[in-house]
Amino acid sequence: DAGVIQSPRHEVTEMGQEVTLRCKPISGHDYLFWYRQTMMRGLELLIYFNNNVPIDDSGMPEDRFSAKMPNASFSTLKIQPSEPRDSAVYFCASSPGTGGPLGNTIYFGEGSWLTVV
Amino acid sequence: AQTVTQSQPEMSVQEAETVTLSCTYDTSESNYYLFWYKQPPSRQMILVIRQEAYKQQNATENRFSVNFQKAAKSFSLKISDSQLGDTAMYFCAFSNSNSGYALNFGKGTSLLVTP
Repeated sequence: DAGVIQSPRHEVTEMGQEVTLRCKPISGHDYLFWYRQTMMRGLELLIYFNNNVPIDDSGMPEDRFSAKMPNASFSTLKIQPSEPRDSAVYFCASSPGTGGPLGNTIYFGEGSWLTVV
Repeated sequence: AQTVTQSQPEMSVQEAETVTLSCTYDTSESNYYLFWYKQPPSRQMILVIRQEAYKQQNATENRFSVNFQKAAKSFSLKISDSQLGDTAMYFCAFSNSNSGYALNFGKGTSLLVTP
């Protein structure tokens, strides 16, 4: 089975530009998560969706960040305008939810490395 | 809020030896899940092992096993017969229904396996 697929893998952009990160979760998974990893703050949960509905976006740092999940197989995380402090690895992850031998286990994509200069 | 503490920022072990990584957590919930994830230099997050709090038996996955002490809120990871490929950051994580089973991570332990 294909895992969580993220694109782009690497992006370098100039301050002020719009950045869109994309994610395709594992088919059949009901939960989708966006995490950010930096040296200073470690792994932070930004937002998560259940059945395409945003449930908790309290981790989204500012209004410059927005996330959508228009259908069960696609999600985006957008930063507009981008700033140098947004440089990080952004992970998308998905989970089948409760039930089954691996219920509530979260599977990660390979990450999108963002550098804002 | 649940907190996860990994008190060992860095550890080193020789190939073929055994090493134990520590993790403690704080929660008032009785039903939850605990995980160890491995992050090699590629930065990919790889699930190592998973433990359900209501199960008393410690989880094992090949060379990896945990010592789950629910009363002490401790969840250590033991790596037996360490291999060079085990060199990575290891993150302990907690989840429960209060947050949609989103993972709450510790700060990680950097493990170096030496020849």
